[in-house]
Amino acid sequence: ETGVTQSPTHLIKTRGQQVTLRCSSQSGHNTVSWYQQALGQGPQFIFQYYREEENGRGNFPPRFSGLQFPNYSSELNVNALELDDSALYLCASSERGGTTDTQYFGPGTRLTVL
Amino acid sequence: RKEVEQDPGPFNVPEGATVAFNCTYSNSASQSFFWYRQDCRKEPKLLMSVYSSGNEDGRFTAQLNRASQYISLLIRDSKLSDSATYLCVVNRRPGSARQLTFGSGTQLTVLP
Repeated sequence: ETGVTQSPTHLIKTRGQQVTLRCSSQSGHNTVSWYQQALGQGPQFIFQYYREEENGRGNFPPRFSGLQFPNYSSELNVNALELDDSALYLCASSERGGTTDTQYFGPGTRLTVL
Repeated sequence: RKEVEQDPGPFNVPEGATVAFNCTYSNSASQSFFWYRQDCRKEPKLLMSVYSSGNEDGRFTAQLNRASQYISLLIRDSKLSDSATYLCVVNRRPGSARQLTFGSGTQLTVLP
């Protein structure tokens, strides 16, 4: 196991609602990245947080936002949910400034938007 | 054109077979390269990093050709437990961020 945890494991929402997903990084890791994986596709980079600030963003609209806390855990917030937001949301933690920048993934949150 | 392209498969091979996966990437600024493995409905897990000199880990061999922007993974003596989706991954570093870019994955089924 990687030590990266995510909650909840599954979530069902309706269009227009808002959702918050949570991630606890592996001990000693200071960076959290979020990815969206649609069915049959590879994960797509949403954004990354380092030292509580967004540090790089993929091609996702502003209704996708996040936070990182002093203990390096992180939240992903999605407003005004759309049907296409249905996906597996993965967070990955890594140690920036360490000997390796390998990213370790949590088990994901499966979001279904009806 | 996708930034990382893989043959989606599926590859169905008998136990003991050798199977090769190929991947191309379009961004010449890509700096590090990986193969991840993803089991059905699970998270991706790092299989191995890929270096220009090539590297081997047991039955798995990865190669990188920067000039051709091509990455490969060879699995020898396939086991049933190798059945999974294999994701080719490149790591760009726009500014100070480390952003993994994934291919869509190649599905492998090893048959008894």
